Amino acid sequence: DTEVTQTPKHLVMGMTNKKSLKCEQHMGHRAMYWYKQKAKKPPELMFVYSYEKLSINESVPSRFSPECPNSSLLNLHLHALQPEDSALYLCASSQRWGWEQYFGPGTRLTVT
Amino acid sequence: AQRVTQPEKLLSVFKGAPVELKCNYSYSGSPELFWYVQYSRQRLQLLLRHISRESIKGFTADLNKGETSFHLKKPFAQEEDSAMYYCALIVRSQGGSEKLVFGKGTKLTVNP
Repeated sequence: DTEVTQTPKHLVMGMTNKKSLKCEQHMGHRAMYWYKQKAKKPPELMFVYSYEKLSINESVPSRFSPECPNSSLLNLHLHALQPEDSALYLCASSQRWGWEQYFGPGTRLTVT
Repeated sequence: AQRVTQPEKLLSVFKGAPVELKCNYSYSGSPELFWYVQYSRQRLQLLLRHISRESIKGFTADLNKGETSFHLKKPFAQEEDSAMYYCALIVRSQGGSEKLVFGKGTKLTVNP
C-alpha cells in the first residue's frame, strides 16, 4: 500500500456537532501531518506528529484536536466548529519529519 | 523571512509551447525545494525534488542559489499538464522543528 487514505471524503456538520477525520498510511512513515486548504490557496500546516508525538501545533484553535494512536493512523477530532472552518483538510506523511511528504485526497468539510 | 514566491498566479500557453513556472525563495540555510502538482479533483502530488535532479513527465527544475530560484520547465507543454503547481521549501527552525512552506501556486492552463 503506497498511498495515504482519508475518510470520509465529504463531511457536513453543524456547529454543535462532534466529528472526526481519519487518515491512514501503511508505508512505514514516521511523520504525519494535518493541513487545511481553502479554495485556490496553498495548504496551511496545522499539526505535525513525529514518532507518534505532537511536534508542531501551528496555534490551531482548540476546537481542532489531533490524535495519533499509532504509527499508521492519524485522527483529527472536531468540536464546535465555525462556518469559516469549512475547507479541504489534507493529511500527509513522510518517511521522517522533514523529508518529502505524500498527501491524501483530503476530506472536504462544510460547517453549517 | 523564510518564504516562497511564485509571481504568476495564472499562466496560459498553447500545446507544444515551452513552459516555465517561476519560483523564488528566501531562506538563510541550505534550501530543500520541491514542486507539487494538483490536478483537478486529484490529490496533491510530489512532482520534483531538487536533490534528486530527476525529470518527471518531462519537467525539470534546477536550483540556482545565486538567483535563489527553482523554476520549473518543460520544453513542450501538453494539455494534460493543466493543473495547479506549488513550489515548496522545507524550513528548519533553531528549535529543531521543520515544516513545508508552500508558495501561493500557479495555475497552468495548456490550450489546444
